[in-house]
Amino acid sequence: QQQVKQSPQSLIVQKGGISIINCAYENTAFDYFPWYQQFPGKGPALLIAIRPDVSEKKEGRFTISFNKSAKQFSLHIMDSQPGDSATYFCAASGYQLIWGAGTKLIIKP
Amino acid sequence: ETGVTQTPRHLVMGMTNKKSLKCEQHLGHNAMYWYKQSAKKPLELMFVYNFKEQTENNSVPSRFSPECPNSSHLFLHLHTLQPEDSALYLCASSQANLPGLAADEQYFGPGTRLTVT
Repeated sequence: QQQVKQSPQSLIVQKGGISIINCAYENTAFDYFPWYQQFPGKGPALLIAIRPDVSEKKEGRFTISFNKSAKQFSLHIMDSQPGDSATYFCAASGYQLIWGAGTKLIIKP
Repeated sequence: ETGVTQTPRHLVMGMTNKKSLKCEQHLGHNAMYWYKQSAKKPLELMFVYNFKEQTENNSVPSRFSPECPNSSHLFLHLHTLQPEDSALYLCASSQANLPGLAADEQYFGPGTRLTVT
């Protein structure tokens, strides 16, 4: 019940395309859903986060879609750029973060 | 220095060695964390400190020993490690991390890449 399942494990998208990463959780007590971005040689950094009182949050080219009834949330990267190539982690939390296994995203020029 | 710093960045040690990892945060936070990151696995939370007190120990083997002398510094003392302990060890900090408080953004250091031979 404490797991967060993330898919796909890796993703290749053409420049300008839409990248979509999905996560599913089981614990209905989770109330905070962040996405972190990690570049090689760096620690993860918060990209965007959502709380379950809204179904969507957009920041620039990055959007979180949240489906409370399905216990799923996803990250959409519009107009994907080579600089977006990184590993993306979803997480879910009451007060302690439970992490997904990560998605390695490669944007091909 | 800004943010969260970690030293050393790379460490190779034998199974009988003793070494320590150091983390320092310059953000005025009260919570600090140690995570283990292995390829294709979720980040594994190892220890959490709030206001210098350990509040989480996720069944970590005793060959890993944390120390938090103040809210800005966190150490991970290593001894008699196993090859499967080879991983990236990440330190993070946040405002606080207590039951009843909403989760907060965690700020990560660049990690220490540990290889146990």
